[in-house]
Amino acid sequence: DSGVTQTPKHLITATGQRVTLRCSPRSGDLSVYWYQQSLDQGLQFLIQYYNGEERAKGNILERFSAQQFPDLHSELNLSSLELGDSALYFCASSVEGLTRGAFDTQYFGPGTRLTVL
Amino acid sequence: SQKIEQNSEALNIQEGKTATLTCNYTNYSPAYLQWYRQDPGRGPVFLLLIRENEKEKRKERLKVTFDTTLKQSLFHITASQPADSATYLCALESGGSQGNLIFGKGTKLSVKP
Repeated sequence: DSGVTQTPKHLITATGQRVTLRCSPRSGDLSVYWYQQSLDQGLQFLIQYYNGEERAKGNILERFSAQQFPDLHSELNLSSLELGDSALYFCASSVEGLTRGAFDTQYFGPGTRLTVL
Repeated sequence: SQKIEQNSEALNIQEGKTATLTCNYTNYSPAYLQWYRQDPGRGPVFLLLIRENEKEKRKERLKVTFDTTLKQSLFHITASQPADSATYLCALESGGSQGNLIFGKGTKLSVKP
């Protein structure tokens, strides 16, 4: 158990809908990262938050957004869902994740499996 | 842009043998490279990190090498066991942002008894 929790574990919805995925980082970790994993693309970095502020963006679509709250939990919002958004969504956390070349272990949650029908 | 390739989608070996997985990258010089293990339906778990100034790193039965000239890392599991069966991902830090990782697609290792 990494100490990172994600809810829900599974989510089935229809095209055009909007969903929210939730992540609670490990106690004491300030950085939260969101990743998408699909069979053909592998694990793709979406976005990072540090202590409530957006720190970095990766391959995140404009239909997707995220935020980190004062209690450090994070939510990933996916809207206007398409079939291709079906994937595993992982949240990871680390203590800082601030400085290039300085390493903080990223601890991954169990993921949310999203199925868009 | 950075590109990271794990050139074997799957690797099947016999128990007790050494598994060797390869990770190649282009268009970048990362400060470090990491290896993760992922079991089906679960999140990746960090295994080892090797920095650009390190040639080799060991942890129990695991060994990682890092050749910055070849832009390649090798991941070895010695005396492999069926419990080592999983997908192994290599990741390197993204040059554009702090602490963010680019992952390879992984190599699925199957160790047969």
